[in-house]
Amino acid sequence: KAGVTQTPRYLIKTRGQQVTLSCSPISGHRSVSWYQQTPGQGLQFLFEYFSETQRNKGNFPGRFSGRQFSNSRSEMNVSTLELGDSALYLCASSPGLAGEGNEQFFGPGTRLTVL
Amino acid sequence: DAKTTQPNSMESNEEEPVHLPCNHSTISGTDYIHWYRQLPSQGPEYVIHGLTSNVNNRMASLAIAEDRKSSTLILHRATLRDAAVYYCILRVRSTRQLTFGSGTQLTVLP
Repeated sequence: KAGVTQTPRYLIKTRGQQVTLSCSPISGHRSVSWYQQTPGQGLQFLFEYFSETQRNKGNFPGRFSGRQFSNSRSEMNVSTLELGDSALYLCASSPGLAGEGNEQFFGPGTRLTVL
Repeated sequence: DAKTTQPNSMESNEEEPVHLPCNHSTISGTDYIHWYRQLPSQGPEYVIHGLTSNVNNRMASLAIAEDRKSSTLILHRATLRDAAVYYCILRVRSTRQLTFGSGTQLTVLP
């Protein structure tokens, strides 16, 4: 079974631009969660989608948004990029809602650098 | 917010058991305890999870205190490949958020 895939793996943007990251979950998984990882803040939860609906959201500004498609693939968008958005963005999938006793499978991440 | 507290780093000798502690004093009765680890340049990897009872799987054991305010991840025989950052995570059912701890950097010495 193929694992979680994320594209692109690396991305360089400038301040003020917007970016879209993509995540393909493991086949059959309906939940996709997004996380931001930085050296200073560690791993922080962004949001979770399940059956095309946002089910959970972390404490991030509205510039961070996401969506999930009918095939469970998910995208996250960051608008008006700031230097502090430079981070590793991780996607994780699980068969059911994350944490409800369900294991999450993480992708390798997308390394975003904002100049 | 529910928080977990872990030591920043720990060392272990190869082939010896390792006990990684986690405090979660604000845990509620419906919050699951998950452990993940992250190897360099990789996404986190699931290790184990539990609710109230101790759990065992092929990778590790999870010992949960009777009052659930702390837990311990046990690696029975550490190998060099177990060197990673280990995260203790709570799933807070009331807020539906996943709360990552600061993680423990485990170094395994040959």
